[in-house]
Amino acid sequence: GENVEQHPSTLSVQEGDSAVIKCTYSDSASNYFPWYKQELGKGPQLIIDIRSNVGEKKDQRIAVTLNKTAKHFSLHITETQPEDSAVYFCAATREAAGNKLTFGGGTRVLVKP
Amino acid sequence: EPEVTQTPSHQVTQMGQEVILRCVPISNHLYFYWYRQILGQKVEFLVSFYNNEISEKSEIFDDQFSVERPDGSNFTLKIRSTKLEDSAMYFCASRTTGGGNTIYFGEGSWLTVV
Repeated sequence: GENVEQHPSTLSVQEGDSAVIKCTYSDSASNYFPWYKQELGKGPQLIIDIRSNVGEKKDQRIAVTLNKTAKHFSLHITETQPEDSAVYFCAATREAAGNKLTFGGGTRVLVKP
Repeated sequence: EPEVTQTPSHQVTQMGQEVILRCVPISNHLYFYWYRQILGQKVEFLVSFYNNEISEKSEIFDDQFSVERPDGSNFTLKIRSTKLEDSAMYFCASRTTGGGNTIYFGEGSWLTVV
């Protein structure tokens, strides 16, 4: 089955700096890669996703890149703000197979004002 | 914005007791899921449900677990005889069958087995 590894496990950045989180996956058939943000005591909230037919996707301060050959994808947050502090999870799945998501271990991001 | 709602938000139960966690998926969604997250660990898939039957389940989802859609709006997870290691946050999720495959998660039900 799919295995997703995520690094780093914790990330502390100064407000205004960029944050980068990296994930690798094992199943070459995975073709959908969402990123979720989880605030304390809440459920995961989708912040951005990318499909395997695209190499990069941006949404304001957030961008995701995908390298299918190397089987890794990354989340980039620019101009970080204190409200970006949360745990971020990457995930991978085959869209045709019921969308069972396999999650990475999570990255706790702390943005220091 | 439509959302997945879960009840209870927190439940404490004695080991060996039965627990039912309830979810109301987004109204036009047809795929339903349960995931769990043990404190400090990654979110793990338990089961997916479509067309009134389980479509996939993980090795965690053993005979102690069951799911049901008792009416047109609720989706429940039952744990028949809880164990200490069942203590976790349980997330319900749903998605539509239409274009795009975004899975929306509820806020979670925190289960503590004592």
